[in-house]
Amino acid sequence: AQTVTQSQPEMSVQEAETVTLSCTYDTSESDYYLFWYKQPPSRQMILVIRQEAYKQQNATENRFSVNFQKAAKSFSLKISDSQLGDAAMYFCAYWAGGSQGNLIFGKGTKLSVKP
Amino acid sequence: EAGVTQFPSHSVIEKGQTVTLRCDPISGHDNLYWYRRVMGKEIKFLLHFVKESKQDESGMPNNRFLAERTGGTYSTLKVQPAELEDSGVYFCASSRQLYQETQYFGPGTRLLVL
Repeated sequence: AQTVTQSQPEMSVQEAETVTLSCTYDTSESDYYLFWYKQPPSRQMILVIRQEAYKQQNATENRFSVNFQKAAKSFSLKISDSQLGDAAMYFCAYWAGGSQGNLIFGKGTKLSVKP
Repeated sequence: EAGVTQFPSHSVIEKGQTVTLRCDPISGHDNLYWYRRVMGKEIKFLLHFVKESKQDESGMPNNRFLAERTGGTYSTLKVQPAELEDSGVYFCASSRQLYQETQYFGPGTRLLVL
């Protein structure tokens, strides 16, 4: 069965600095999708970034980028120039694709941003 | 375009009572998903609708949980009777198509069973 592990329950970063959140996963599939979702306090969970496993190039969305290491089954999220609004719970998720609809989530990492 | 909405945002009930959660997906999204996060644990899949049909309900914990999706639009998740371990945050998500599609989440319903 597929699993997703986020080994950092909490992280802290100084405003304007860079922080990396870790995520590892386990799967025997060769094609799949990986996501980072962000849930600010008392607010909606939103998609931060998405990576297709068949793509070698790491996904990037403005200040957010990933380091996707397929062989190591690692999918870390880097946030550059951290802002106060980045404070949130971050969830890493795996999707096998095809007819399987459900996402498999890690436990989440709570990110604090210090002014 | 309006996002996924969920009602209520919070619910506090006593053990043995019934609670019904509602989810309105993004208009035109055929796929609707329910997930649950118990405190300190992973977000877990409950079930998946394609239009009004249950595609996958393998994550439903037991027969106290009943999900419906009338006419392929909004969905309800009823817990009857509620138990203490049902407390958590219930998320709804939707996607237009199944394949290669991102799921968009609602804000969640925080359920506390006392």
